Amino acid sequence: NAGVTQTPKFRVLKTGQSMTLLCAQDMNHEYMYWYRQDPGMGLRLIHYSVGEGTTAKGEVPDGYNVSRLKKQNFLLGLESAAPSQTSVYFCASWGTEYQETQYFGPGTRLLVL
Amino acid sequence: KQEVTQIPAALSVPEGENLVLNCSFTDSAIYNLQWFRQDPGKGLTSLLLIQSSQREQTSGRLNASLDKSSGRSTLYIAASQPGDSATYLCAGIFNAGNMLTFGGGTRLMVKP
Repeated sequence: NAGVTQTPKFRVLKTGQSMTLLCAQDMNHEYMYWYRQDPGMGLRLIHYSVGEGTTAKGEVPDGYNVSRLKKQNFLLGLESAAPSQTSVYFCASWGTEYQETQYFGPGTRLLVL
Repeated sequence: KQEVTQIPAALSVPEGENLVLNCSFTDSAIYNLQWFRQDPGKGLTSLLLIQSSQREQTSGRLNASLDKSSGRSTLYIAASQPGDSATYLCAGIFNAGNMLTFGGGTRLMVKP
């Protein structure tokens, strides 16, 4: 039982390049989330999914796209990276019970030059 | 829009001291309040979760309380140790929603 995993762990991009971050969970959770964390700040929600084939916008969705083609995977895409997207990205999953916590991945550090 | 605030942003205490971290929120329709620990360069580890029907939860030297009427939660750490040094984040789910709203975190340093 690996929990929530994220690929890659670290990436450097040039402005305008594209990339996809992969999140995978093995807990059969319905809900999955992508957050970003900037220095001195808490986590802000980018996009989330309430089930396979569904996605919704969070607090800071601009410049990102997501897809949930399989229940266990949630992909975050940057079509044209900008320096403002330099951040640490966390994925999380949740089983929808309020007595249960969200489970977080280890994070992906992204540097956009 | 719900807001979650943590003050202070940073705290330094000597080893052995009992301490309290504060979290306040603007929406009393809270479904649960969670405290997480984050070590530098790492992900989030869940410490305690308090459901809206509960007033507190305890785990070892940690005790978290929830007061919905005043919009406050506290995390009490007893007999602090250098290994407790980390950033502590509180987050809540509000209005039967499905997403966490995070505070900015308190960076704790426990000095030997």
